[in-house]
Amino acid sequence: GIQVEQSPPDLILQEGANSTLRCNFSDSVNNLQWFHQNPWGQLINLFYIPSGTKQNGRLSATTVATERYSLLYISSSQTTDSGVYFCAVVEGTSGSRLTFGEGTQLTVNP
Amino acid sequence: DTEVTQTPKHLVMGMTNKKSLKCEQHMGHRAMYWYKQKAKKPPELMFVYSYEKLSINESVPSRFSPECPNSSLLNLHLHALQPEDSALYLCASSQGPLRSYNEQFFGPGTRLTVL
Repeated sequence: GIQVEQSPPDLILQEGANSTLRCNFSDSVNNLQWFHQNPWGQLINLFYIPSGTKQNGRLSATTVATERYSLLYISSSQTTDSGVYFCAVVEGTSGSRLTFGEGTQLTVNP
Repeated sequence: DTEVTQTPKHLVMGMTNKKSLKCEQHMGHRAMYWYKQKAKKPPELMFVYSYEKLSINESVPSRFSPECPNSSLLNLHLHALQPEDSALYLCASSQGPLRSYNEQFFGPGTRLTVL
């Protein structure tokens, strides 16, 4: 099956800093999603981005499908951005099976 | 409305108990999913229902029994669980695997503890 690798595994920032999270995947994908999991376990949809670039407020994402990676940019980070960020993909032939990376644990200190 | 609801939020059960987790969505989605998430690990797919039929079972033990009574509801029946089954159980839904846009939306989860 498809492999999804996220980096870095852990990231500690001061409030106001910018960061880039990376997701590499080993095969072609039909779907790529970025999620933020809050401390209560809720997975919050950030982006549905199988290709191209999208922006939503302080967050933006870019997926280069031909090179099999996606980037999530967080600007002017806030303490509420803390949590685990997951990249998840649906492999081209798997229909709907969403495979997650191991996640990036982000801590934003005041 | 992009909301998936799950009940209960927390569940503690003994190894001989029978319990059920419930999931509901009113987005008109035709695919629904159960995922299991252990602490500090990513969610792992358990089951997929597509148009109310079970389409994927990821070799899940029979002590977990899914049910899809209609297109809005998804249940997970639990029986004779083991302590290692303690985890966060997440439900998700999407438009359907045959659609070009198939974003998955997750519920808040049920945190299960098996004693």
